[in-house]
This record gives sequence, C-alpha cells and structure tokens, in this order.
Amino acid sequence: SQTIHQWPATLVQPVGSPLSLECTVEGTSNPNLYWYRQAAGRGLQLLFYSVGIGQISSEVPQNLSASRPQDRQFILSSKKLLLSDSGFYLCAWRETSLEQFFGPGTRLTVL
Amino acid sequence: AQRVTQPEKLLSVFKGAPVELKCNYSYSGSPELFWYVQYSRQRLQLLLRHISRESIKGFTADLNKGETSFHLKKPFAQEEDSAMYYCALSGYRGANNLFFGTGTRLTVIP
Repeated sequence: SQTIHQWPATLVQPVGSPLSLECTVEGTSNPNLYWYRQAAGRGLQLLFYSVGIGQISSEVPQNLSASRPQDRQFILSSKKLLLSDSGFYLCAWRETSLEQFFGPGTRLTVL
Repeated sequence: AQRVTQPEKLLSVFKGAPVELKCNYSYSGSPELFWYVQYSRQRLQLLLRHISRESIKGFTADLNKGETSFHLKKPFAQEEDSAMYYCALSGYRGANNLFFGTGTRLTVIP
C-alpha cells in the first residue's frame, strides 16, 4: 500500500536561516506531488506541484522553492526564512485519480 | 478561474441536530468536487467525492450545477464529527490540481 512521509514534524528556525523539508512517497510510481501551506482562516494554499523528476511548477510567488531529485521525493526549501513563512506545510500525492493523499505535515515556526 | 467558497469559518451545532456545511464553486467546465476532513491530530483525508454518490459516516453531498454548490449534509450530528472540513474542486485541465476552500470548523456540542 502507498504511504507518504514528511519530516521533520515540527521545526523552529530563526529569521534568515535556510530551510529544507522533505517528503517521500512509498508504494507508487511517477506520482504527482504537491506542497501546500495551511494557514488559519486561509485554508490550503497550493505552493508547488510536480508531475515528474525535475519538473516543478510554482503556483504563487514566494520565498520558497521546491525540487524533485527522485521520483518519490519532494523537497521544499528556502535560502533565507521570513517570519511570514511560518505555517503548517503539507505534502500530497496522487496517481491517475484526482484524489490526493496527504502527509502528516510539518509545523514551521520562524522566530 | 476556479474558486471555492466556504462562507462559514465556524459552525456549531448540537448533537443530534442536522448539519449543513456550505460550499459554492466557480469553474467554467465540468469540475469534480470533493470534501476533505481533518480530525484533531490526524491527517487531512478524503471524506467523499461527488462522482461516488455515496454516504460516508452519514454525510452526503449533492452537486448542484445550477446553483454551483456542493453542500455537505448530515441529518444527525455526532460529537465525533467535530473537525475541520474543506471543500475542494478539480478540473480536467492542465495538471488537474485541487483548489481548496478556506475551510469550516465544525463543533458538535454534546
């Protein structure tokens, strides 16, 4: 069966520090992968999606970037964090169905 | 452009009362609609999708294309229904991404 992992679960970082959040999927091949940010009162905002290795699409201009170095690995990064980057980050995947499956999320606090 | 609107951020009902979580959408085509739910300390998960036309945990949702709505309903709310509910839309274009509403937090009062 398919599973999706995210780490770390929580992270506290100072402003200006770099960021790397990792997401991996097991039990599936060539999935579409997604990064969302969940903020109170703002719902789920799609940040990036990827339809294949090295293929990244950005939905909103921002301080973050994403990479997909392997078929089932999706990384969210930043060179210098801002206070506004604080939030709950969710990774998701899907295959041929439109249904998406979500990871447990990472709570990022930027101080 | 696609848009999903959930007008209620918070909704409280008493146990045993009917509940309706509203969702309206905007999409120039034939969308597929979903309801996702996030219980406390659990992952966001699919509750139901309109093409399945099924009832999950007593919840149903009917796609009304005339009113562009996909309201979630349950005749008798239970305490375990307390959660965050998101309505989402996907179209059969491009990368077929999901577009989420801002969510409604449902609290069922015992």
